[in-house]
Amino acid sequence: DAGITQSPRHKVTETGTPVTLRCHQTENHRYMYWYRQDPGHGLRLIHYSYGVKDTDKGEVSDGYSVSRSKTEDFLLTLESATSSQTSVYFCAISERTGGRNEQFFGPGTRLTVL
Amino acid sequence: AQTVTQSQPEMSVQEAETVTLSCTYDTSENNYYLFWYKQPPSRQMILVIRQEAYKQQNATENRFSVNFQKAAKSFSLKISDSQLGDTAMYFCAFMKHPHNNAGNMLTFGGGTRLMVKP
Repeated sequence: DAGITQSPRHKVTETGTPVTLRCHQTENHRYMYWYRQDPGHGLRLIHYSYGVKDTDKGEVSDGYSVSRSKTEDFLLTLESATSSQTSVYFCAISERTGGRNEQFFGPGTRLTVL
Repeated sequence: AQTVTQSQPEMSVQEAETVTLSCTYDTSENNYYLFWYKQPPSRQMILVIRQEAYKQQNATENRFSVNFQKAAKSFSLKISDSQLGDTAMYFCAFMKHPHNNAGNMLTFGGGTRLMVKP
């Protein structure tokens, strides 16, 4: 299994509070991603990173920011959480080598915003 | 933009039988990849099978195989000899060939919940 951990695994918070989710990898992969999963939508990309300090927006980036100060860590921040951000959040990693470009996923974080 | 559609929200199959999950996609790209991921109740996303669009041969992984029809933009998953452990959500996903620094972004379908009955 790919060495990807997410913390926390579960979190309940209140509307308006800041929240930071952490993704940590031990694979030294270049690319890291944050997705959210909601019923009927599959997974949707929030932000991704293609290197330290290099990030870009995905399909549903509004209300989220990210940072990557080290290869192994990718942080997702909700500056002021809203109930619409209640979801399951997945981190993923990939490395484009020899055409093997699959993404490997972390275990997910269930976030509830009351 | 790409879209991926899974038209079967739920399916069931008897243990040891064969089931086919449907997936269609829309893209103007010619070079891309397609994937099926499995998500059991544990919530972990597990890669089942991948297909490169430039390959005409359908991918197979043990009991799992795909029927890739590029012209029709169809990518179905066949599970043979279904087992109880195959019970899960299955997601079809599309990835266009990455350019420059662009990551390998996945576009997912809405998923099909498969129940394998004893």
